[in-house]
Parts: sequence; structure tokens; C-alpha cells
Amino acid sequence: AQKITQTQPGMFVQEKEAVTLDCTYDTSDPSYGLFWYKQPSSGEMIFLIYQGSYDQQNATEGRYSLNFQKARKSANLVISASQLGDSAMYFCAMRENFNKFYFGSGTKLNVKP
Amino acid sequence: EAQVTQNPRYLITVTGKKLTVTCSQNMNHEYMSWYRQDPGLGLRQIYYSMNVEVTDKGDVPEGYKVSRKEKRNFPLILESPSPNQTSLYFCASSPQGLGNQPQHFGDGTRLSIL
Repeated sequence: AQKITQTQPGMFVQEKEAVTLDCTYDTSDPSYGLFWYKQPSSGEMIFLIYQGSYDQQNATEGRYSLNFQKARKSANLVISASQLGDSAMYFCAMRENFNKFYFGSGTKLNVKP
Repeated sequence: EAQVTQNPRYLITVTGKKLTVTCSQNMNHEYMSWYRQDPGLGLRQIYYSMNVEVTDKGDVPEGYKVSRKEKRNFPLILESPSPNQTSLYFCASSPQGLGNQPQHFGDGTRLSIL
């Protein structure tokens, strides 16, 4: 079974609107972490936000928030007030068993002016 | 400046010719890891290291070797490269594999095996 599933290969959003990027995960480890990374066309990996499995509140970092639904094993990224610079590939990732990391296949986000 | 440095950034080589991709970090991080990125597959972990002389397999270790003789360096070795190892490779490090510490990534190495 896939450890991380991102079902949206590509998405469009209008500038200044909010967008949700979906991520579901599969693990039996009770202590895991979830990360979102952004990869612009230049190729570097940029960390956006983290959610721990025991965190009671949804993580937020500026315009980024993580909609964590533990029972459903989902960790969707919400970007508010999209900007043209948000156009990039977005990867959801999970840390499991303290040391192993799994990434989803990514979602390519295009922000339209 | 805190960074993870990979070399080379680009390499075109032929099947069977041993190659090494170097990775060095200047942040005194214990945890280091190698990934390959392929279209439609995202990043997949090849090997990781918790500290000096401690390495373990990730999801796709076949055809690769690593070593961790010093804390700052974590080279990736392809003893006999094959075309299916053509990919974009990333090295990453973090203070430790635990907790909320995100990984710092290098700029990537694009390998083409002909």
C-alpha cells in the first residue's frame, strides 16, 4: 500500500483565492510526523509546515495551514490568498519509525493571475 | 551560510562506470539521507544515516552504497550504474530523525546513465 497518496497531479487556482492540496497517509506507527515541501521550477526543496501525530491543534505557518484529520489519516495543506509565486510542485511527506521518510507523488499547483 | 552541498550537480556517464556523488553539510546534523526523484513517483528514500558509522536502507537501496565516516559527509556510491538509475538525486540532513525537525535539502544532482 502507498504510504503517502496525493490524488491531485495538477491544480489551478485564481490569484488571491485559497486552495487545498490533498494528502492521505498510511502508517501503523503511533508516533509519526507529517511535512509539506514546496519545489519551485528551480528545483530546490523548501520546507513549509509540520504536523506531529500527537499535536492537538492544526499547524499553521503564515499563509499555510495543515488540516489534520487523524481518524481519516489525512493531512491536507491549505494555502490562503494564493500568490503567483506559489506556483510550484508540492509534496506531502511522512516520517515513520523515527528514521524513514516517505513522499507522495506531488501536486503541481498553477496560480492564475 | 548553513547548507547541504552536493557534487556534481550534473553528470552524464555510461553503464558500469563507478561513480560517487558527494554530500556535505555544515550544520553539525546527525541525520543524513539520500533520495531519488522520478516523475510521477515523488521522492524515494535510498539510504539514511543516524550518525557516524550508522547507516540503514530506505525504500529503494538496490544498486547503491553509502558510507558515513565523518559527521559532515555522506557520499552516495553507484558501483555499477545502470540506465534505470537515471534520476534526480537529493541529499538532505536534519539535527536528528526525531520530532519536528525538517530536513535541509541540497540543490540536487541530475544523473544520466547511458
